[in-house]
Amino acid sequence: DAKTTQPNSMESNEEEPVHLPCNHSTISGTDYIHWYRQLPSQGPEYVIHGLTSNVNNRMASLAIAEDRKSSTLILHRATLRDAAVYYCILRASYSGGGADGLTFGKGTHLIIQP
Amino acid sequence: GAVVSQHPSRVICKSGTSVKIECRSLDFQATTMFWYRQFPKQSLMLMATSNEGSKATYEQGVEKDKFLINHASLTLSTLTVTSAHPEDSSFYICSAIRTGSSYEQYFGPGTRLTVT
Repeated sequence: DAKTTQPNSMESNEEEPVHLPCNHSTISGTDYIHWYRQLPSQGPEYVIHGLTSNVNNRMASLAIAEDRKSSTLILHRATLRDAAVYYCILRASYSGGGADGLTFGKGTHLIIQP
Repeated sequence: GAVVSQHPSRVICKSGTSVKIECRSLDFQATTMFWYRQFPKQSLMLMATSNEGSKATYEQGVEKDKFLINHASLTLSTLTVTSAHPEDSSFYICSAIRTGSSYEQYFGPGTRLTVT
């Protein structure tokens, strides 16, 4: 699996935007970029994913560099409930079904200050 | 939404006994489920892939005779830790993929296992 690199931790203030970077210089052309987050003592939850174009959903936005070697997860207005470990994960695309488990790196521990 | 439950949420057992953990997809069918393990302050590690009606596929280094997986229906997978030892104490998390989809995994809340 292609490897991702994320900062160990980041700190932000409540109600401010947060930009979480992820480097994936060895990404292949068919790899999707997925983001999951894990709140303390809970299972991970899906945040967002994309391939080439920037993506928006109710939770966050995903900005993907033109060369796809890096991406940024954007939380537009962080709240205390966004404090979690955020994982950037690459997954190969599939056709006709089938799926693999996720390979989690160490992720970024996001700390939100009130 | 898609909800995955796990039971029990916490379990304490004595060394040498077996423990069964259930993972259910509550509002969707899941042909494929996954089992992960997470030790304190570490990331999740994939243990095995569970496919409905067939044998599980284990990751390298995971003992299939110790961690028995059964996926007898499209909504239930079970993980049995046999002859548990203190080093098996961990946070066990399952995930499920909706049948016909492949991009989003829905995770359960996890089961905290403590072996004394």
